[in-house]
Formats: sequence, C-alpha cells, structure tokens
Amino acid sequence: GENVEQHPSTLSVQEGDSAVIKCTYSDSASNYFPWYKQELGKGPQLIIDIRSNVGEKKDQRIAVTLNKTAKHFSLHITETQPEDSAVYFCAATANQAGTALIFGKGTTLSVSS
Amino acid sequence: NAGVTQTPKFRILKIGQSMTLQCTQDMNHNYMYWYRQDPGMGLKLIYYSVGAGITDKGEVPNGYNVSRSTTEDFPLRLELAAPSQTSVYFCASRRVSSGNGYTFGSGTRLTVV
Repeated sequence: GENVEQHPSTLSVQEGDSAVIKCTYSDSASNYFPWYKQELGKGPQLIIDIRSNVGEKKDQRIAVTLNKTAKHFSLHITETQPEDSAVYFCAATANQAGTALIFGKGTTLSVSS
Repeated sequence: NAGVTQTPKFRILKIGQSMTLQCTQDMNHNYMYWYRQDPGMGLKLIYYSVGAGITDKGEVPNGYNVSRSTTEDFPLRLELAAPSQTSVYFCASRRVSSGNGYTFGSGTRLTVV
C-alpha cells in the first residue's frame, strides 16, 4: 500500500520568509496529491491539490510542485504571515475504487512576527 | 450548508465501555471515511464506505465497527473501549464526480481512562 513521508516535522520562519514542506510517496499508481491545513481544535482544510498530469500549481501565496519520477511533491508558501501558523499535512491516493487518502505525519509551521 | 457534522465533540469513556461516534453529511456525497489522529502520527484510516450498505476496512480497523444504512450517516462504533483508542476522530466525505477533495468534520476528542 501507499506510504507517505513528510519533512520537516516542525518549521519555524520569520514573517515574510518562505516555507517549504516536502513529501515523498511510494505507490507509483498515486495520482492525486492534496495539502491540508489544520488549525488548533479544527478539522483539516484543503488548501491546494495537484494531479499527476500537472507539474506545478499556484494559488496566490501557495504553490505545489510534483516530481513523478522521484515520487515527491512539495508545498511552497511565500511571504508567510502569522495566520499561516498551523499543522500542514500532505496526502496521496491512487483515486481508484477501494482507495483513500494516505496522509503524512504533518508539519507544524510557526510564523513569528 | 452544514457540511460534515460530528457528535459529540468531546467524550470520556471508561475502559470496557462502548459508544458510537456520529457523522452526518448533507452534501449527498457518495464516499465517507473515518480517520483517527494521534499526536505526531498524522491521520490513519479506520474504515471507509463507497455508498449505502458498503463498508471496508482501512489501515487500523481493529476495535471499531461501522455501518452505512443511508447516504448521509456513517457512525463509528467502539464496543470495548481501550486506552489505545484515546485519540481525535475525524469523519470525512467526498463526491465521486467532483474529483478528490475531501470535506472533514471538526472532530471528536475521545479519552479512554
């Protein structure tokens, strides 16, 4: 089955700096890679996703890149703000019947002003 | 539009007791999922369902049971609570035709003492 590794587990940056979180996956059949943001006491919220037929996707300050050959994908947050502080999870799935999202262990991002 | 609703938000159980975690979605989503989240471990899939009357095991199903009698409801049952089941439980759903985006509930924090 799929296995998703996520690094780093914690990340501290200054406001305005960029933050990068990296994930690797094991199942070459995986074709959908979402990123979730979880604030304290809340459920995960989808912030951006990418499919295997695309190499990069941007949404304002957030971008995701995918390298299918190396089986890794990354989340990039530019111009970080204190409200970006949260736990971020990557996930992967083959999007076939009987499959579900497999999550990384999460990255706690702290943005200090 | 309520989305995915989980009840209760918090619960303390004694070892050996049983309880049902409720999950309801009002988006007419086909697929529903139960995950547990332990500190530093990400989200682990317990059970999932692709439609009414159909359920299947995920990564960590032992000690749990589910049913899916309607499209809207997907309750999770703990029969003999154990301290190892202390966790935060999240229910999620998605519509097959709309791609892969999962909608998560706000979670149930369960403590077994």
